[in-house]
Amino acid sequence: AQSVAQPEDQVNVAEGNPLTVKCTYSVSGNPYLFWYVQYPNRGLQFLLKYITGDNLVKGSYGFEAEFNKSQTSFHLKKPSALVSDSALYFCAVRSVGGGNKLTFGTGTQLKVEL
Amino acid sequence: KAGVTQTPRYLIKTRGQQVTLSCSPISGHRSVSWYQQTPGQGLQFLFEYFSETQRNKGNFPGRFSGRQFSNSRSEMNVSTLELGDSALYLCASSVDSSNTGELFFGEGSRLTVL
Repeated sequence: AQSVAQPEDQVNVAEGNPLTVKCTYSVSGNPYLFWYVQYPNRGLQFLLKYITGDNLVKGSYGFEAEFNKSQTSFHLKKPSALVSDSALYFCAVRSVGGGNKLTFGTGTQLKVEL
Repeated sequence: KAGVTQTPRYLIKTRGQQVTLSCSPISGHRSVSWYQQTPGQGLQFLFEYFSETQRNKGNFPGRFSGRQFSNSRSEMNVSTLELGDSALYLCASSVDSSNTGELFFGEGSRLTVL
């Protein structure tokens, strides 16, 4: 069975500082990895994905993620945080051949303060 | 291009009743997935439909069912509602079921069971 772990319920960072939201995964075979963001009372929005290729993936709104196969991690990063980045972030994994069935982590609340 | 539309956005039901939620995917998208989001269990996959056929199913009781129509619109039904069914139900569409693209989520239907 596939699983995703987001070890931090909340991450606080000052505006302008770099941010990291952690994610580790467990899946048999090659993983398809995703990051989504959810603003209050809204659905999820896609940020970025890793399927294959470069370990550093660039996505929307200046976010990027680093895939590390040996550590089974897929951490979300941004060089300079904005207050508007404050939201709930979800890491997700999909197994090859698994259609659109995503297994999500529990989510990390990001709070960016002035 | 219009996004994923879910109706109704909010609804209140009592235990034992049934409910039907509707999802209109993005035009041209043929895959529709449903997820349940609760504070306790997080995001959980319900089922996925592609070309009117259920492709994947999550670990939910038979009270949860769905279907997809020829125009790709989808409905999900929950019968004999329980208090624990109170949740945000999210629908997501994708071009198809085998690609590695992102899912496009609607804003959800928030169900409260009293």
